Parts: sequence; C-alpha cells; structure tokens
Amino acid sequence: GQQLNQSPQSMFIQEGEDVSMNCTSSSIFNTWLWYKQEPGEGPVLLIALYKAGELTSNGRLTAQFGITRKDSFLNISASIPSDVGIYFCAGLTYKTSGTYKYIFGTGTRLKVLA
Amino acid sequence: EAGVVQSPRYKIIEKKQPVAFWCNPISGHNTLYWYLQNLGQGPELLIRYENEEAVDDSQLPKDRFSAERLKGVDSTLKIQPAELGDSAVYLCASSRPGTGATQYFGPGTRLLVL
Repeated sequence: GQQLNQSPQSMFIQEGEDVSMNCTSSSIFNTWLWYKQEPGEGPVLLIALYKAGELTSNGRLTAQFGITRKDSFLNISASIPSDVGIYFCAGLTYKTSGTYKYIFGTGTRLKVLA
Repeated sequence: EAGVVQSPRYKIIEKKQPVAFWCNPISGHNTLYWYLQNLGQGPELLIRYENEEAVDDSQLPKDRFSAERLKGVDSTLKIQPAELGDSAVYLCASSRPGTGATQYFGPGTRLLVL
C-alpha cells in the first residue's frame, strides 16, 4: 500500500540533543499528523496540523505543516530517554464528496543514549 | 475514559486456519478503523466504518478478509483462510464524528501464521 516517505529512517542521539525528522509526499493533504508508537502499543497522536504553514508545539515537540502541503516536519528539543520510539507522520485528505485518504509514513526510529 | 480494547493481544495459527480479531472502540466514537501494520512499516488502512456502515473497504482483500460491525459499536475482523504473509499486527482505531483526524488506537493483535 501507499506510504509517505519519512527521513531519517532511524536516529541514535545523545540525551539532551535536538531531533529533526521530516515527511514528504507526492500528494497534497489537508491535515498532517504526527504519532509516536512504543513497542507493543498502538500509535498515539502527538500533534495535528490543519493549515499550510502552521507551526504547532506540544511541550518539547514542534511540528510544521509545509507550505506546499506535501510535507511536514517534527522537531524534538532536549531529548530524554522516554522519547525512544517510532515516530510516524500521517497525511489526511477528507472531502464532503466522500474522498478520504489517511496515509501513514514509513516511520523514524529514535533511540536516545543516556 | 477507557481506551480502544482489542483481543486477543497475540495469536499463533497454522496457515489455512481461520482467525478473528475483536475491537471495542471508545464510547461515543462512531467511526472505527482497522489497520494492518507490517513489521517495520506504518499502519495501512483496511476498512473504515461510520456506525455500522463500511464506508471504505477498498483496501480490504475481500477474497479472504471480512469485517463486520453489526450494532455500530464492536467490530470483528476475520481472515479465512490465513496465509503466511498475513503475519502482522492488526490495529483498531476509533474517532469522534467528523474528519477522523484524531484517531485513538488500540494496542493491536499480533498475528503469527506458521
């Protein structure tokens, strides 16, 4: 099935470092979302972005909806060990005509070294 | 508020056997989704329900997969017969009425087909 392109695929960083990851698509989306998934659990929504250019924060996390509506970025500042997990982007297009696309990215695996 | 409940959490079966997964969404969430997550990849939508109606089942392999949500609450996803390639995590999610941007995921059922 279709998946959005995420990079990097994996990251090993030191505690306290900042992290940046991005997600790109060949399609335009109306909404961009970022999820975190930990082992044995389902994804948990971190941030939702609803407008091109929007910049939204959730604690140490900041995400941006790309101007072209084909990409999004997630930054984590001052990483801590509990940030470990897989981060997924997702793009949503929803129209009243019935068109519905909810596509996840390939994931970025983050490991934080204490 | 209780989260999305899925059972079983793990299932091991031999190929050609049938298998069923159960999902109980968050109370008041009329939209329910089933996703397939292969190892190392993001979730892929299989089917989306609005109440008891399957409004999008275009990605459901209908030759062996079936789903139902008879009373618009709980849902069951079935595979018959299972194949080796069906080994994956099957995630259920639910959302409130609307675009479904904010989805709440269950922990998933991990299926291993031998």
